[in-house]
Amino acid sequence: DVKVTQSSRYLVKRTGEKVFLECVQDMDHENMFWYRQDPGLGLRLIYFSYDVKMKEKGDIPEGYSVSREKKERFSLILESASTNQTSMYLCASRRRTNYADTQYFGPGTRLTVL
Amino acid sequence: SQQGEEDPQALSIQEGENATMNCSYKTSINNLQWYRQNSGRGLVHLILIRSNEREKHSGRLRVTLDTSKKSSSLLITASRAADTASYFCATQETSGSRLTFGEGTQLTVNP
Repeated sequence: DVKVTQSSRYLVKRTGEKVFLECVQDMDHENMFWYRQDPGLGLRLIYFSYDVKMKEKGDIPEGYSVSREKKERFSLILESASTNQTSMYLCASRRRTNYADTQYFGPGTRLTVL
Repeated sequence: SQQGEEDPQALSIQEGENATMNCSYKTSINNLQWYRQNSGRGLVHLILIRSNEREKHSGRLRVTLDTSKKSSSLLITASRAADTASYFCATQETSGSRLTFGEGTQLTVNP
């Protein structure tokens, strides 16, 4: 079974802090994704990575950056956390194929910025 | 903007009843997927239907796709309390591209 893990289930940070959210997958998937989930807004894509050292902006990249130095790890960075970044953050991975394929999600990190 | 829009936003039924959730989308798609999310957890893939398919089954799940109406439905038969969760549809416009998720339907199955 594919396993996607996220470094923390719950995280509390202060405004202005630099925050790192880590995601690791163990199935050699090429593609990895970061979403945030807010009530009434569903899942919104922040950044995604098709392969190592590759990244593309999603729908709401402002205030975030990412790093993909190794295939299994995709990090989301909040350079200077703000209260409007309080949210549930979900990481996902996917094998790149020529067919339709599914995403495998981690358990989520609930981040609170005070 | 959201590609998929689920309807209803919330659904409450009794155990044993069937639950039907609908999803509408706006653009041409390669496939449509349904995911489930238990409260406070990540999403789990349930079923995928390709644009050239009209109906698909998996256990107690039945998914239909009408590309002319740009809509899909998820039917859960003989529901159980353990089916209580949020259900999301997600569309993929081309093979290998990103998924676009709807806002979800919150299903509550009362024992």
